[in-house]
Amino acid sequence: AQTVTQSQPEMSVQEAETVTLSCTYDTSESDYYLFWYKQPPSRQMILVIRQEAYKQQNATENRFSVNFQKAAKSFSLKISDSQLGDAAMYFCASQNRDDKIIFGKGTRLHILP
Amino acid sequence: DTAVSQTPKYLVTQMGNDKSIKCEQNLGHDTMYWYKQDSKKFLKIMFSYNNKELIINETVPNRFSPKSPDKAHLNLHINSLELGDSAVYFCASSTRLRDGNTEAFFGQGTRLTVV
Repeated sequence: AQTVTQSQPEMSVQEAETVTLSCTYDTSESDYYLFWYKQPPSRQMILVIRQEAYKQQNATENRFSVNFQKAAKSFSLKISDSQLGDAAMYFCASQNRDDKIIFGKGTRLHILP
Repeated sequence: DTAVSQTPKYLVTQMGNDKSIKCEQNLGHDTMYWYKQDSKKFLKIMFSYNNKELIINETVPNRFSPKSPDKAHLNLHINSLELGDSAVYFCASSTRLRDGNTEAFFGQGTRLTVV
């Protein structure tokens, strides 16, 4: 079965500081994708970063980076220099070759001014 | 029971044809979406409906027309299909929970291949 677990329902970080959101997943596939999505109040899903499972190098997108530990099935998101606009729900997701996307339950991130 | 159900799962069709993808949610959610996932796996929103009313309409060709007959359904009709329309299309629904969080569910995707 394909599962995604986010163990932190809510987190807070001071503006300009660094925060790490945790995600673990389980899949029997060898070929899959992992994503972090941000969901602002408009509720649309905005892709923050993606990682192909066959790539060992951790993906980075500006202030966002991941720590992909394939053996441990861990995929955490690090946000550096947190900004007020980063406040949102963050969803970790995995996608196998059958296209189905499985999301974690989300982590609400608060940015403290 | 499947929360968000979209049909068909796979769709192969020729250029120039008109096709529809159906989506239904049985969660009582008030907002539904259509997303397009391209070959690089980027998931882009196309449309969003809230209580049958269009609230998000991203820059998509007007060959794409969403139709929401009721709150539980959001269908996507595509006219004059082009090769570049080949992608995986996801329907989703969401609602705001009492604690302020949101709940979102995606359908299983429809892989559209235009030949």
